[in-house]
Amino acid sequence: GDSVTQMEGPVTLSEEAFLTINCTYTATGYPSLFWYVQYPGEGLQLLLKATKADDKGSNKGFEATYRKETTSFHLEKGSVQVSDSAVYFCALTQNRDDKIIFGKGTRLHILP
Amino acid sequence: EAQVTQNPRYLITVTGKKLTVTCSQNMNHEYMSWYRQDPGLGLRQIYYSMNVEVTDKGDVPEGYKVSRKEKRNFPLILESPSPNQTSLYFCASRLIGTSGSYEQYFGPGTRLTVT
Repeated sequence: GDSVTQMEGPVTLSEEAFLTINCTYTATGYPSLFWYVQYPGEGLQLLLKATKADDKGSNKGFEATYRKETTSFHLEKGSVQVSDSAVYFCALTQNRDDKIIFGKGTRLHILP
Repeated sequence: EAQVTQNPRYLITVTGKKLTVTCSQNMNHEYMSWYRQDPGLGLRQIYYSMNVEVTDKGDVPEGYKVSRKEKRNFPLILESPSPNQTSLYFCASRLIGTSGSYEQYFGPGTRLTVT
């Protein structure tokens, strides 16, 4: 079945460092891909998405490119801030059944 | 404001005492879902509903019930809670479409402790 694998955390970085959180997926066809973010004490919220190969999703300085050849959707940010400390979830949905599949989440700590 | 609300936000209860966690959305979404979040296990889907009077089991439905009598509400019922149901619960909703690309909106979470 379909699945999402993301790097285990926690990831700890200093402020202004470059961030990459890896995400790979296993799925047939052409799923839509998402990154959700969960700030402390809150529910998940959509960070960015991409719906077809080579699409780049971007928001709040974060970017991720849908790479079908490597089945990846890695999250990147050029210069992280303390306020980016959160848990990040990679996810996919398939057109055929509307089911959303989440990775296990990656906790990010940014040190001032 | 578009939102998903859950109540209560925090609940401590004892084994076997029936409880209900309410969920309501104001976006006219067809799809609603319940998840539990546990350390190291990520989000696991409990139940979901594609529309009024249509519900289906997710990955971990044992010990839970749901109902969908109105489009906006999707309560989660624990008939006889046990300590292994101690968790953080999220309700979510979204539109349904052929593209599969619709954003899912999450409630703020309910932290349940069963002693």
